[in-house]
Amino acid sequence: KQEVTQIPAALSVPEGENLVLNCSFTDSAIYNLQWFRQDPGKGLTSLLLIQSSQREQTSGRLNASLDKSSGRSTLYIAASQPGDSATYLCAVSNFGNEKLTFGTGTRLTIIP
Amino acid sequence: DADVTQTPRNRITKTGKRIMLECSQTKGHDRMYWYRQDPGLGLRLIYYSFDVKDINKGEISDGYSVSRQAQAKFSLSLESAIPNQTALYFCATSGSVRQGVTEAFFGQGTRLTVV
Repeated sequence: KQEVTQIPAALSVPEGENLVLNCSFTDSAIYNLQWFRQDPGKGLTSLLLIQSSQREQTSGRLNASLDKSSGRSTLYIAASQPGDSATYLCAVSNFGNEKLTFGTGTRLTIIP
Repeated sequence: DADVTQTPRNRITKTGKRIMLECSQTKGHDRMYWYRQDPGLGLRLIYYSFDVKDINKGEISDGYSVSRQAQAKFSLSLESAIPNQTALYFCATSGSVRQGVTEAFFGQGTRLTVV
């Protein structure tokens, strides 16, 4: 059974800093990995999707990497802004059963 | 209009009542999912459907049922609501491998309170 872990559960950083969020998974036979953002009480917004054959994806100030062999993904946020404050969730899908398994998220606070 | 629409957005219901949550999508995706989110437990899969004739239980299907009325519509029912079903419910869609679009998209959620 796939298990996804995100550590830390919460993170506070001053505005302008670069930061890294971590995601680890137990079964490396993944089909893809997706990073989401969730604002309090709101839905999930897809940020980046990495296919199993890819090593990284970039969108604006966001860069996500994937290392299947070690069961890890990171989400790098450059030049953080207060508007980046949210909970960030990673989710993986496995070959043969492409439904998402979620981590419990990292709640990010950017301090102005 | 949102690509994935959930109705209602908020609902308060009494223990023992039957309630239906509805989801519709305009993305043309084959696959649809229902998740619930609880503080500290993350998102857990209730049911999923890979096409109109395919319905599968997720990890927490007890007390729930679903109906895939069309490719674009997937409803979740609580036959007899109980307080521990109070949660935030999300519908999601994704394309199949055949469709070549596997990114998942979520609705805005339904906040359900069972009193």
